Amino acid sequence: KAGVTQTPRYLIKTRGQQVTLSCSPISGHRSVSWYQQTPGQGLQFLFEYFSETQRNKGNFPGRFSGRQFSNSRSEMNVSTLELGDSALYLCASRQGSGNTIYFGEGSWLTVV
Amino acid sequence: GESVGLHLPTLSVQEGDNSIINCAYSNSASDYFIWYKQESGKGPQFIIDIRSNMDKRQGQRVTVLLNKTVKHLSLQIAATQPGDSAVYFCAEMGNTGKLIFGQGTTLQVKP
Repeated sequence: KAGVTQTPRYLIKTRGQQVTLSCSPISGHRSVSWYQQTPGQGLQFLFEYFSETQRNKGNFPGRFSGRQFSNSRSEMNVSTLELGDSALYLCASRQGSGNTIYFGEGSWLTVV
Repeated sequence: GESVGLHLPTLSVQEGDNSIINCAYSNSASDYFIWYKQESGKGPQFIIDIRSNMDKRQGQRVTVLLNKTVKHLSLQIAATQPGDSAVYFCAEMGNTGKLIFGQGTTLQVKP
């Protein structure tokens, strides 16, 4: 069974641009969540989607958004990029509430 | 606020020895705890989890202990190997569905 797949793995963007990251969960998993990892702040929760609905949201500005499709695949978008948005963005999936959460390899975003 | 902390940022052990990585959490409402291993350039890899109705759980070469009285979590790795070298994160979850991570402990295994 394939794990959580994230694309692209690496990308470089310029300040002010926007970026879209994609995540395919493990087959059969309906919940997808996103995390940001930086050296200074560690791993921080962005949001969780279940059955195309945002179920929970972390403390990030409105520039960070996401969505989930009917096949459980998810995307997150960051608009008006800032230098501080440079980070590893991790997607995680689980079957539903109370199940183990598995992470993908992440998308490395560098904002210049 | 909520936070999960690890006692030591770096732990250095000799190959073959047992390793113990500690974690303190502050949210008494958390009922699910997980340990992840993260190698350089990779995403967090699930190691073992435990629910609040248990105080010990064993896996292959790993054991997680939960002490709810003092809000303490530990990961024990038996016969530590060079491949165990990585950053280890503890994480907690309550009924919100979001994981709250600690800052991580770097495990260095000396040959």
